[in-house]
Amino acid sequence: QVQLQESGPGLVKPSETLSLTCTVSGGSISSYYWSWIRQPPGKGLEWIGYIYYSGSTNYNPSLKSRVTISVDTSKNQFSLKLSSVTAADTAVYYCAREEYTWKAVAGTPSPYFDYWGQGTLVTVSS
Amino acid sequence: SYELTQPPSVSVSPGQTARITCSGDALPKQYAYWYQQKPGQAPVLVIYKDSERPSGIPERFSGSSSGTTVTLTISGVQAEDEADYYCQSADSSGTYRVFGTGTKVTVL
Repeated sequence: QVQLQESGPGLVKPSETLSLTCTVSGGSISSYYWSWIRQPPGKGLEWIGYIYYSGSTNYNPSLKSRVTISVDTSKNQFSLKLSSVTAADTAVYYCAREEYTWKAVAGTPSPYFDYWGQGTLVTVSS
Repeated sequence: SYELTQPPSVSVSPGQTARITCSGDALPKQYAYWYQQKPGQAPVLVIYKDSERPSGIPERFSGSSSGTTVTLTISGVQAEDEADYYCQSADSSGTYRVFGTGTKVTVL
């Protein structure tokens, strides 16, 4: 059974960089896409971006200028950095594994999230 | 940016049927997925590929698709089904992942 665990500081000061790591156990990080998703208190889910085990990335356009996702296959980990944070970045941050199906009519991949971490609350405050 | 629209809330009595819709322009080209989220917990996949049910998910959960709208149906609602439900899909090219606005299901 694949398990994901987020780790990192729970409090970050405004204008600083938020850094989180997701450790994958019970399976290899190879051959999958891995995403970060966040949820502000009392609000909905927002996809932040993904990384493939090879290192290729894709980010939500609304966050792209501030986000960096990296992978360390030797440690079975991937990481998130979000720069210049404000109070609006206060949220529970989840890491998740992506799977894919294919809708024949479109011929494009259809991604979804099959395994999630428990989430970690990051508060941006001075 | 691409959006998926859900009703904010649905209320249903125990044993009745709850239906939650999700609308998006790319849904004819992309599958939809549904997640259940209870307070303080991570989301759990309850429907994939519009209408398939993962192992371990009760049969009362079902999904359907018609044009630009997908629907999650919970038949014979139980108290334990009270939760937030989110649809999820991607833009037509499969590049960006998108979550719906979320629907709170209240069991009366």
